[in-house]
Amino acid sequence: GENVEQHPSTLSVQEGDSAVIKCTYSDSASNYFPWYKQELGKRPQLIIDIRSNVGEKKDQRIAVTLNKTAKHFSLHITETQPEDSAVYFCAASSGVYSGGGADGLTFGKGTHLIIQP
Amino acid sequence: SQTIHQWPATLVQPVGSPLSLECTVEGTSNPNLYWYRQAAGRGLQLLFYSVGIGQISSEVPQNLSASRPQDRQFILSSKKLLLSDSGFYLCAWGKDGAAQAFFGQGTRLTVV
Repeated sequence: GENVEQHPSTLSVQEGDSAVIKCTYSDSASNYFPWYKQELGKRPQLIIDIRSNVGEKKDQRIAVTLNKTAKHFSLHITETQPEDSAVYFCAASSGVYSGGGADGLTFGKGTHLIIQP
Repeated sequence: SQTIHQWPATLVQPVGSPLSLECTVEGTSNPNLYWYRQAAGRGLQLLFYSVGIGQISSEVPQNLSASRPQDRQFILSSKKLLLSDSGFYLCAWGKDGAAQAFFGQGTRLTVV
């Protein structure tokens, strides 16, 4: 089955600086890679995702890059703000349906992002 | 718009007692439904998924079971809880071909 590794487990950056979180996956059939943000005690919220036919996707201060050859993908947050503090999870899906997902997501262990004022 | 409801929000149960957590989805038909568990400080582990009524796939053999009696209802159960069943249980839904998973608000289960 799929295995997703996520690094670092904790990341502390100064407010205004950029943050980068990296993930690798094992199953070359994976074709969908979402990122979730989870604030303390709350549900994970989808913040951005990318499919295997795209190398990069951007949404305001958040961007995700995908390298299918190397089987890794990264989350980039620019101009970090205090409200960016949370745990971030990457995930991968190798479902049999188009776009994947019917058989669930495999998650990384999460990165605790701390924004220092 | 679609919404997902999960209850209860918190639950404290003694070891050996039964468990029933319920999840319902509104605003969509024939969703894919999932149960995940998140242990303290850990990632999310997929427990069960369902692509239709009565169709359940288990990812991890354990003390839990799932059922889908209706199209938009997903239930997580246990006959006898163990201490190791404590955690944050999250129901999620997705659409076939869309791949995205949207989570309910979660149930924090503490087995004592």
